[in-house]
Amino acid sequence: EAQVTQNPRYLITVTGKKLTVTCSQNMNHEYMSWYRQDPGLGLRQIYYSMNVEVTDKGDVPEGYKVSRKEKRNFPLILESPSPNQTSLYFCASSPNDRGNEQFFGPGTRLTVL
Amino acid sequence: GESVGLHLPTLSVQEGDNSIINCAYSNSASDYFIWYKQESGKGPQFIIDIRSNMDKRQGQRVTVLLNKTVKHLSLQIAATQPGDSAVYFCAENMYNQGGKLIFGQGTELSVKP
Repeated sequence: EAQVTQNPRYLITVTGKKLTVTCSQNMNHEYMSWYRQDPGLGLRQIYYSMNVEVTDKGDVPEGYKVSRKEKRNFPLILESPSPNQTSLYFCASSPNDRGNEQFFGPGTRLTVL
Repeated sequence: GESVGLHLPTLSVQEGDNSIINCAYSNSASDYFIWYKQESGKGPQFIIDIRSNMDKRQGQRVTVLLNKTVKHLSLQIAATQPGDSAVYFCAENMYNQGGKLIFGQGTELSVKP
């Protein structure tokens, strides 16, 4: 089944404890992206990648890191999480390099205490 | 500045009626406009996109209209069904920023049986 998977789906952590949210797609898509979704603010793009070893900042990259060492994986890294990073996170991939038709993962609910 | 917004946060329609969801944008450099649907507890799902050099594009039961003069985008859903109940987001893909997407805040569509 063609899909985007994220792990973990739910995570409660404490301020300053490094964490990684994994994202993987099995559709051989070039483009991948991370978003956070907050009430009243909609979806905001954190980082995106148009190809392996190519990453660019979205609207809200501060406090996040990403890497794209292989096509299928695009992990999101929070080196020192803070409570304002409590949010619902979505990973997405797209078959075209413009990222128009994106396939989203199921989401990761992160709480930082 | 760069922003994509929606006229109405909620829309309630009767089953079988047509629905119109509106979106205003402010960036004239946008290249593509995209509509996504998000059902409760799920990631967004691509519906349809339209390039900035087009005025209208039709899909299955959906039509997107683009009015560049007034920077307005709309999504029309014909014969709305209960399964159409969701939050609908418009998004803007800017030509000069490659794969960067900016989403609007969303309109919640509620279909009454």
